[in-house]
Amino acid sequence: DAKTTQPNSMESNEEEPVHLPCNHSTISGTDYIHWYRQLPSQGPEYVIHGLTSNVNNRMASLAIAEDRKSSTLILHRATLRDAAVYYCILREGEYGNKLVFGAGTILRVKS
Amino acid sequence: EAQVTQNPRYLITVTGKKLTVTCSQNMNHEYMSWYRQDPGLGLRQIYYSMNVEVTDKGDVPEGYKVSRKEKRNFPLILESPSPNQTSLYFCASSLKGLNQPQHFGDGTRLSIL
Repeated sequence: DAKTTQPNSMESNEEEPVHLPCNHSTISGTDYIHWYRQLPSQGPEYVIHGLTSNVNNRMASLAIAEDRKSSTLILHRATLRDAAVYYCILREGEYGNKLVFGAGTILRVKS
Repeated sequence: EAQVTQNPRYLITVTGKKLTVTCSQNMNHEYMSWYRQDPGLGLRQIYYSMNVEVTDKGDVPEGYKVSRKEKRNFPLILESPSPNQTSLYFCASSLKGLNQPQHFGDGTRLSIL
């Protein structure tokens, strides 16, 4: 399984943008990049995913480097509710059958 | 409300006593899976199912069984639970596979004494 590397923790101020980095230098051409987050005492929650192009949805934006060896999840205005563990996951190819969760990044949001 | 429902939410039991954790989704999803979450090891996939009557092993299937007789239900069976299966378990579902958002349940905390 291709691996991802994320910082253990990050801190942000409320109402400010947050950039969560992820390195995946061994990514293959068909691996999709997925982001999930897990709030305290809850199951993981889908955030966003992409292959090559940058992606936007109502929750966040995903910026993917041109060589695809890294990506950044962008929360445009952090709120206290965004405090969670954020997982960057590679899914193998179009038909890969599993998501391999790593340790993730603990995001703390200060008011 | 669209949701994945797991039962029970908490269970303390003893070694060897068969138990079943139920998972039900009301979104007509084809893909369902089970994960366990342990400190320092993250979430690991136990089993998954692409559709009714189609199941396959994930990364840590030993000691577990699953069945998928109906689209909405995907129970996790521990035939002879052991203490190393003490963990937090999550069921997930998606419309057709992993390139759609996975919807996770709220988790089941199992303690095997």
